[in-house]
Amino acid sequence: QSVLTQPPSVSAAPGQKVTISCSGSSSNIGNNHVSWYQQFPGTAPKLLIYDNDKRPSGIPDRFSGSKSGTSATLGFTGLQTGDEADYFCGTWDISLSAVVFGGGTKLTVL
Amino acid sequence: QVQLQESGPGLVKPSQTLSLTCTVSGGSITSGGYYWNWIRQHPGKGLEWIGFIYYTGTAYYNPSLKSRVTISLDTSKIHFSLKLTSVTAADTAVYYCARGARFGVVSRDFDYWGQGTLVTVSS
Repeated sequence: QSVLTQPPSVSAAPGQKVTISCSGSSSNIGNNHVSWYQQFPGTAPKLLIYDNDKRPSGIPDRFSGSKSGTSATLGFTGLQTGDEADYFCGTWDISLSAVVFGGGTKLTVL
Repeated sequence: QVQLQESGPGLVKPSQTLSLTCTVSGGSITSGGYYWNWIRQHPGKGLEWIGFIYYTGTAYYNPSLKSRVTISLDTSKIHFSLKLTSVTAADTAVYYCARGARFGVVSRDFDYWGQGTLVTVSS
């Protein structure tokens, strides 16, 4: 059972918008920055969003991040079939004194 | 471009010690501002943070694994290593090394990852 809660799967059609939620508590998301990772099967995760809403160099602006209270959201616009992957949120948990991750969300582009 | 590469045995017997090394190239472990992490992923599951080491040799571990984990830094400051003792089948996972930004005692925003190495615990 992951400390951060994500929906197991989301789906949408190409060109559409979709969001992935990440729910936590005051000991993690509520008091720390959130990062998001994209992972294709058999490969390492890739940093997609850091500091809640910032994109590393090379990450298209189709990807966005936001945080409100104890929840964070990863947003996609203009979905592409190449976006099909697993997405994980992560942050520091003050109570656990550890980095914690969500269980991951599989994005399907129909 | 920073690159990380894990190496080590892919098969470890139960009760033995898992040992992995991460080689860093294209960047220096001794550059401040980063922690060097180990993260694992059980088959078909989410990510679990194991711990990190700073270039000074200071290490910090996930309390859930702390009693069995040691992360160390090679004197060359090119490699850092993971040792996990008394392994069981529950330690079977893909193990990644990753660079994380340093914020006080917090490591986050893992921007460079190794390709990962599958370690199976089985007799």
